[in-house]
Amino acid sequence: AQSVTQPDIHITVSEGASLELRCNYSYGATPYLFWYVQSPGQGLQLLLKYFSGDTLVQGIKGFEAEFKRSQSSFNLRKPSVHWSDAAEYFCAVAGVNDYKLSFGAGTTVTVRA
Amino acid sequence: EAGVAQSPRYKIIEKRQSVAFWCNPISGHATLYWYQQILGQGPKLLIQFQNNGVVDDSQLPKDRFSAERLKGVDSTLKIQPAKLEDSAVYLCASSLAGPNTGELFFGEGSRLTVL
Repeated sequence: AQSVTQPDIHITVSEGASLELRCNYSYGATPYLFWYVQSPGQGLQLLLKYFSGDTLVQGIKGFEAEFKRSQSSFNLRKPSVHWSDAAEYFCAVAGVNDYKLSFGAGTTVTVRA
Repeated sequence: EAGVAQSPRYKIIEKRQSVAFWCNPISGHATLYWYQQILGQGPKLLIQFQNNGVVDDSQLPKDRFSAERLKGVDSTLKIQPAKLEDSAVYLCASSLAGPNTGELFFGEGSRLTVL
C-alpha cells in the first residue's frame, strides 16, 4: 500500500523568502504524485501533479516540485512566498491504475510580514 | 464550470444521533469519493464510487457509516449512530477517472461536530 510522509508539521517563512516543503512516499512502482493546498474553510485545490516525464513540474501560483526517484521524494518549492500562500499543504500519492489518493498529514505554512 | 457542491457546511449533533451529508459532483465526472479529514490529519478515503458502483470501501466503518450513489450522480453519506471520534470534515471529491487523469476536484467540505 502506498503512503506519504510529510516530515514538517509547521513551517514559518517571511514574505518574499523561499519555501520548500518536503514529501516522501512509499510505493512499489513509480506513482502519480500530487500537491494540494487547503486554505482555511476551503476544499483542497490541486497545485501540481507528476505522472511521468520531466521530473521538475510547474504548477499554479508559482509553485514547482521535483520528483527524485532515488530519494522517493517529491518536494514542493516556491522562490518567493506571498502572504496569500499561508495555508495547509498536502502531498498525495496515487496508484497508476486506481487514482485512489493517499494523503500525507499536511504541512501548515505561516507567512510573516 | 460549477464545482463540487456539498451540504450542509456545518452540523452539530449529539453522540448516538444520525447525520447525512450530500454531495453533487462536477457534471460528467464518473468517479466520486468521500474523504474524512480529522483535525490535524490528512484526508482519509472512506469510499470511492465509479458511476453508481462501489470501487473501494475498505476504510468505511460499515457498522455506522453508509453511502450511496443511486443514479450515478449525487451521493449521500450517512452516519448512524455518531460517535465523538466522528468529529471531522467530510470532503467529497470527483474526477473524470480517465486513463490520463488523476486530478480530484474537492468540495468545501461538511464539518461535523459530535458532542
